[in-house]
Amino acid sequence: DAKTTQPPSMDCAEGRAANLPCNHSTISGNEYVYWYRQIHSQGPQYIIHGLKNNETNEMASLIITEDRKSSTLILPHATLRDTAVYYCIVRVLRGSNYKLTFGKGTLLTVNP
Amino acid sequence: DSGVTQTPKHLITATGQRVTLRCSPRSGDLSVYWYQQSLDQGLQFLIHYYNGEERAKGNILERFSAQQFPDLHSELNLSSLELGDSALYFCASSVGDFNTEAFFGQGTRLTVV
Repeated sequence: DAKTTQPPSMDCAEGRAANLPCNHSTISGNEYVYWYRQIHSQGPQYIIHGLKNNETNEMASLIITEDRKSSTLILPHATLRDTAVYYCIVRVLRGSNYKLTFGKGTLLTVNP
Repeated sequence: DSGVTQTPKHLITATGQRVTLRCSPRSGDLSVYWYQQSLDQGLQFLIHYYNGEERAKGNILERFSAQQFPDLHSELNLSSLELGDSALYFCASSVGDFNTEAFFGQGTRLTVV
């Protein structure tokens, strides 16, 4: 099964880019990478997802390495409200079913 | 406000009991997902329903069951409760299948005593 590994915590200065890494070295060709974040114990919030190409939306960019064994979530200009736990998730297809593998999450603290 | 409504917000019950958690998805969303979040297991995917049909099953125990009704709301039934079932249970909904953005409710905090 695919596994995801994330650093437990990271710090970032307000206004700077936050780069959050995720290792998913056992990922297969048709397995997507998703990023969600969770502020305190609120419901998680979708950020972005991708398969093999880099993706960008209004919240973040997702850079997936060519071998797809790792990815980086980039918040271009972090604000204090971006302080949260960020989860990297791999979706493994199993025929018509699928399985989600969650990382343990990275607590990103944005400092003034 | 994500538009996903979960009731109740808090629930305290005794071991061996059965409870039902309810989820109303955002208007127009066909998919409903259930997740469990506990201190020792982290976030876990339980089950996904799409337009009334079970779409995918994750780490859902046999003591747990779910369904999605014709009006698209969903219920998660937890029976023979154990202390270890104490957790936050989240419901999420999305317009289409998993590759569409999912919106989460605020969760139901279940405490089993």
